[in-house]
Amino acid sequence: RKEVEQDPGPFNVPEGATVAFNCTYSNSASQSFFWYRQDCRKEPKLLMSVYSSGNEDGRFTAQLNRASQYISLLIRDSKLSDSATYLCVVNVFSGGYNKLIFGAGTRLAVHP
Amino acid sequence: SQTIHQWPATLVQPVGSPLSLECTVEGTSNPNLYWYRQAAGRGLQLLFYSVGIGQISSEVPQNLSASRPQDRQFILSSKKLLLSDSGFYLCAGTVAEGYTFGSGTRLTVV
Repeated sequence: RKEVEQDPGPFNVPEGATVAFNCTYSNSASQSFFWYRQDCRKEPKLLMSVYSSGNEDGRFTAQLNRASQYISLLIRDSKLSDSATYLCVVNVFSGGYNKLIFGAGTRLAVHP
Repeated sequence: SQTIHQWPATLVQPVGSPLSLECTVEGTSNPNLYWYRQAAGRGLQLLFYSVGIGQISSEVPQNLSASRPQDRQFILSSKKLLLSDSGFYLCAGTVAEGYTFGSGTRLTVV
């Protein structure tokens, strides 16, 4: 079983749509959680951290359910510029250091 | 703030040739450094991490090695490249909880 699992998509949605991505993780010792965005042939960039209380940043809302080991990302009012791959990432402290474990990503394509 | 520099951006190398990718860090001291690889259509796989000069740990057995000769320098190497070494190589650094990625090197082994 992969440590971080995501639906690979692609999600093809029209502008203005609301889209939700889900992610599950297997390591119950995971300490912190993130969504990263990766544009084609570019490095990943941090989109937002994810907290148990849920957090919102403009059109983006992230949720964490530690009991279910489940993370979600909701994008409202999709824009063309939201087209990218969204990576679910968990931070695990193991062997004396922190390491990021990445999901394979969910691809989003927003069309006019 | 921390900046990660990587070069080259793209590289085409023949099978059996050596490899050296360099990553340097600017703006922080004593960062934890990481090498990740992303194969086409796949997620990022952690290859090596380093918590200090000369301290390297490998996550997966492979045809690659890493070295950290200076606090802010992290090098990924191979003596003989394989076709399966093709991919997008990313260096990352972390201080406290913040992670920063370099812009990556796209390696194609032919």
